[in-house]
Amino acid sequence: GENVEQHPSTLSVQEGDSAVIKCTYSDSASNYFPWYKQELGKRPQLIIDIRSNVGEKKDQRIAVTLNKTAKHFSLHITETQPEDSAVYFCARMDSSYKLIFGSGTRLLVRP
Amino acid sequence: DAGITQSPRYKITETGRQVTLMCHQTWSHSYMFWYRQDLGHGLRLIYYSAAADITDKGEVPDGYVVSRSKTENFPLTLESATRSQTSVYFCASRVEYNTGELFFGEGSRLTVL
Repeated sequence: GENVEQHPSTLSVQEGDSAVIKCTYSDSASNYFPWYKQELGKRPQLIIDIRSNVGEKKDQRIAVTLNKTAKHFSLHITETQPEDSAVYFCARMDSSYKLIFGSGTRLLVRP
Repeated sequence: DAGITQSPRYKITETGRQVTLMCHQTWSHSYMFWYRQDLGHGLRLIYYSAAADITDKGEVPDGYVVSRSKTENFPLTLESATRSQTSVYFCASRVEYNTGELFFGEGSRLTVL
């Protein structure tokens, strides 16, 4: 169906620890999965994305993994810093090329 | 750079009034979108447009109207505002149909009393 399930809704980690956010979907036709970061009072901005022909993608401290068989994808942030505190949204592109977003995860990195 | 701008940024209105939120982009992106953001629901697509004079419904279109007479503008109208339409509205644009990055405007916070 349409929805993307995102978990957890809130996540609190100690600075320097890793954070993992997971999203699941049911539409096997989805082939593009971006992640957006939204700082407090700001607009969402793309931080990383992955296409279905790739299993993992990394960009410095951020990585995304995709399991097409199980229909889930995850965001991994290593060595978290206070500036990583934000709301993170996963999304999938549907067959009409629209982005369908998850409900968001509020990440708090404690100094 | 101007990029994509929304106006007004903040609006308070009353139930039953008509409200129009404006969105303007300077990139000549083909695709434009309107999302609403509510706590616990993330970003939900209201309407989108593939080009001038081409619009289509998203996940939650009821109570909204859009138009796109020019590529750079994509206004969203609430014909008769309801309290359930209190939300933050984001306009976004994208270059092509299947290239992923959405560029969001700064958002318009609408309160319906």
